Parts: sequence; structure tokens; C-alpha cells
Amino acid sequence: GAGVSQTPSNKVTEKGKYVELRCDPISGHTALYWYRQSLGQGPEFLIYFQGTGAADDSGLPNDRFFAVRPEGSVSTLKIQRTERGDSAVYLCASSSPGQQTYNEQFFGPGTRLTVL
Amino acid sequence: QKEVEQDPGPLSVPEGAIVSLNCTYSNSAFQYFMWYRQYSRKGPELLMYTYSSGNKEDGRFTAQVDKSSKYISLFIRDSQPSDSATYLCAMKRERGSNYKLTFGKGTLLTVNP
Repeated sequence: GAGVSQTPSNKVTEKGKYVELRCDPISGHTALYWYRQSLGQGPEFLIYFQGTGAADDSGLPNDRFFAVRPEGSVSTLKIQRTERGDSAVYLCASSSPGQQTYNEQFFGPGTRLTVL
Repeated sequence: QKEVEQDPGPLSVPEGAIVSLNCTYSNSAFQYFMWYRQYSRKGPELLMYTYSSGNKEDGRFTAQVDKSSKYISLFIRDSQPSDSATYLCAMKRERGSNYKLTFGKGTLLTVNP
């Protein structure tokens, strides 16, 4: 079956512009996560959705970052007034709650954001 | 100090070598320990996970967790060129914010034919 998909795969923008990054999770997965991976670093948690609501947005670096998941499936990460330091790969992951104690997070290929 | 420390390498080995990758951590609340493999320009994919302490083996891969030392390892036997990738350790709690993965920096491995 289809995995997690993210669009666009690459995004180049200018400092100060607004960008939207999209994530399509695996069908039926109610949990969705966004992570950011800077060059030479591991992914860092940004936000976690359970269904439509953001259960934990403590990883969002500041109020320029916002994410939505209005229908409990597709999610959009929105970044206002982009800065050069926002350049990174933005990864989306999804998981199925199930009854198991360990729920694997399946990652998409990421969106590579470059802010000039 | 970061919660999870991982030597970024790079590590270069000949085909057939045994590879040892490791991470240390500081948060004793971590109970799940994962190893992810990430190929260039791809998302991480789960290789193995271990709950609490002990060893786990899957084919050529063995994961070890020593909670008393806060140290985890991944061993790759008979390494292949296709194993060339970045290996990320990750950890999470069992309770509380048990959905949040905390990653190491990743170790870049190259297996030379």
C-alpha cells in the first residue's frame, strides 16, 4: 500500500515569504507527527496530532510555525515570514493507535525547504 | 547536554566487516529504543526496536540496550554495500509524552565493495 507522501519534495523560497508543506499520511492512521531535520542532525519533534487536534505542539520553535489537520487526514505545516534558519528537511510521520504497546511511526520522504 | 548523543562518524568499512554503532542517553524515562536507517534524500525507516533492556536479533542486525549504563548499540554482521546509509538511534518514553521520538544525530556509514 501507499506510504506517507509529502509535497512538494523541494521548496525554495525567499526570506520573509510564506510557505505551506503538505503531508498525506497512511490511510487509517489517526496519529500524525511533524519533525524537522537540519543538516547533519537527527529529526527533532515539532508537533503531534491525534485525529484533528494538535495534542502536543511543544516542539514548534516559535509562533511563525503553525500546523493544521482539519479532517483528521492530510496535514499542512505553515511557516510565516520564513528565515534562513528555517532551511531544513521537514519530515512527516504517521502511526496507527492499535492496541499494541509500541506504535511504529512511518516516515515520509520529507520536504527539503531552502530559504534564500 | 543533549538527551541522546551519537557519534556522527563518518564510518567507512570494507564489505563483510562487523559494524558497531552506539548511542548514549541521559533520560532514564526512555523505555523504547529504536534504530532507524536513512538513505540519502529519503525518510528514516525503522530497522529494529527494543523495549527496556536486553538484546534483539534480526538477521544480520543485533540491537543491545544496557539501561544501567544508558548505552545502546547496533551491530551489523557481514556488512554489505547496500547497508551504506545514515543510522539514527531514537528513544521514547513508555508513559507521558510517549509519542515523541528523540533522535541522535545519526552516524553516516559507508561499506566499500
